[in-house]
Amino acid sequence: GAVVSQHPSWVICKSGTSVKIECRSLDFQATTMFWYRQFPKQSLMLMATSNEGSKATYEQGVEKDKFLINHASLTLSTLTVTSAHPEDSSFYICSAPGQGTQNTEAFFGQGTRLTVV
Amino acid sequence: SQQGEEDPQALSIQEGENATMNCSYKTSINNLQWYRQNSGRGLVHLILIRSNEREKHSGRLRVTLDTSKKSSSLLITASRAADTASYFCATRNTGFQKLVFGTGTRLLVSP
Repeated sequence: GAVVSQHPSWVICKSGTSVKIECRSLDFQATTMFWYRQFPKQSLMLMATSNEGSKATYEQGVEKDKFLINHASLTLSTLTVTSAHPEDSSFYICSAPGQGTQNTEAFFGQGTRLTVV
Repeated sequence: SQQGEEDPQALSIQEGENATMNCSYKTSINNLQWYRQNSGRGLVHLILIRSNEREKHSGRLRVTLDTSKKSSSLLITASRAADTASYFCATRNTGFQKLVFGTGTRLLVSP
């Protein structure tokens, strides 16, 4: 099946710094990718939809200036957490929809554990 | 919130027993999918059922869908310790690519 690679798998940063997370589709092109956030023992909450060549679409309540999304190519989307604070500590996961019709699975990256100290 | 509800939140069973998880959602859907997540890892797709389907099987998995009740169930038969994980349902609405996830069920299978 299709592979989505996410990097890094974990990162620790100091408050006030910015962290970039990469999401790559390795063997297919993804014009759209999704970024999710997951707190411990909770479900995935969609943060934003990343669109190649255009601005990302953010879900209600997600600060677009804090969570910068860039979809520079058909195989790469990045999420930058700017001026990170401890409350931004979470598990971030990207995904890309399968190709073809809507009745296909989504493919997920391995996730990034962000800890802000 | 559009997020679906799953129950139970947690389920603890012995190896060999069956595990049933239920999912309810709120809007009309194109399809419903089930995913598995091992602790601290990404999600793995298990099975997809379309809105015009009522039941689907894949190995030890059986999924049902009742669109009139906006609910689905996932049955894992003859469970194994390796089935220990969190299980999420996710719905895709017609015309949208994004998935909306349920609250999840944490399954613990003891040897």
